[in-house]
Amino acid sequence: NAGVTQTPKFQVLKTGQSMTLQCAQDMNHEYMSWYRQDPGMGLRLIHYSVGAGITDQGEVPNGYNVSRSTTEDFPLRLLSAAPSQTSVYFCASTYGTRFNEQFFGPGTRLTVL
Amino acid sequence: AQSVAQPEDQVNVAEGNPLTVKCTYSVSGNPYLFWYVQYPNRGLQFLLKYITGDNLVKGSYGFEAEFNKSQTSFHLKKPTALVSDSALYFCAVRGESTSGTYKYIFGTGTRLKVLA
Repeated sequence: NAGVTQTPKFQVLKTGQSMTLQCAQDMNHEYMSWYRQDPGMGLRLIHYSVGAGITDQGEVPNGYNVSRSTTEDFPLRLLSAAPSQTSVYFCASTYGTRFNEQFFGPGTRLTVL
Repeated sequence: AQSVAQPEDQVNVAEGNPLTVKCTYSVSGNPYLFWYVQYPNRGLQFLLKYITGDNLVKGSYGFEAEFNKSQTSFHLKKPTALVSDSALYFCAVRGESTSGTYKYIFGTGTRLKVLA
């Protein structure tokens, strides 16, 4: 299993540009989520999904869109990038029951100029 | 409100000494608690979890955690610290969302530095 994969690893955008961060998992996990990690603020939940076709907002959803058309993929779209979105983004997935731990991808480091 | 607090930004400990990384939580209903570790430029890795049962939970790499319901705490411990334990540690709790599903809430992280 490749686990949770994220692309790209690094990205530099200009203010106002849009882009999609890709996340995929090959473990047949129903639950997937996106976090951003900023110094001193820990991990903050952006969006999550409990299964294909179902998404919900986390703590900091503004400026981001998600969709979940398949179990494997959970892309995160930045509609119009802003410097405040400079961060490290992590995707995670969880199997089955509500008591299971999350598996994290390696992260995408995004800089918005 | 559901939350996790890690009161220490950094913990320094000498190699060979015991270590404790603190975590307190606030959640409605039963608490489901997790610890993760993050090494530089890597994603988070799962260490251990508390779901129910014994208050002392054992996990990976010799780590354990003690659940204390009355103090709403879930402190991470290790009897003998190693330099290789130096990393960023996150506590997390599974909380209910307003939509009836669930989500994971993370603390701000504690940087552990083990000194040789």
